[in-house]
Amino acid sequence: EDKVVQSPLSLVVHEGDTVTLNCSYEVTNFRSLLWYKQEKKAPTFLFMLTSSGIEKKSGRLSSILDKKELFSILNITATQTGDSAIYLCAGRGDNAGNMLTFGGGTRLMVKP
Amino acid sequence: DGGITQSPKYLFRKEGQNVTLSCEQNLNHDAMYWYRQDPGQGLRLIYYSQIVNDFQKGDIAEGYSVSREKKESFPLTVTSAQKNPTAFYLCASCPTALPTEAFFGQGTRLTVV
Repeated sequence: EDKVVQSPLSLVVHEGDTVTLNCSYEVTNFRSLLWYKQEKKAPTFLFMLTSSGIEKKSGRLSSILDKKELFSILNITATQTGDSAIYLCAGRGDNAGNMLTFGGGTRLMVKP
Repeated sequence: DGGITQSPKYLFRKEGQNVTLSCEQNLNHDAMYWYRQDPGQGLRLIYYSQIVNDFQKGDIAEGYSVSREKKESFPLTVTSAQKNPTAFYLCASCPTALPTEAFFGQGTRLTVV
């Protein structure tokens, strides 16, 4: 059974801090790892990682995958209150349904 | 605009009643999924469908049923057999030929009263 574990469960920081969110996975015939941000309702897509060691970057957010260690991190620099959300990590294997297995999420709160 | 539409946004159910949550997409995606999210937790897969008239159980299918009569539509019925249905339900879709990110609807919050 595929499994994705995120840590920490929750995190409280102050504006301007840098945070690192962790995601470890055990996914059969691994294909890709995805990061989502969920503020209130629908998760919004951040990154999809398929290759080890290649950083994906979007503004203050960046993510990298380590396929050897079965691990990914999401970095947020110079955090803002608008970064407060649940961050979800999901793994996709080479399965018939292209299903995503989600981790439990990390709840980030950024205080002014 | 292309996207996924879930309705209703909020739904209240009395114990013993079946309710159906709607999910419609105009993205021409073959695959559709239903997830359940409990407070402070991640998403758990209920059912998924890769093609019209075919669907498969996910990790927590008990007490739920689905249909896929049209490519665009994948309704979820929460039956009275689901003992703890109060949750946030998310529908998603994804192309199957070149899987990319899953696109999500805005969700339905179901509360048993």
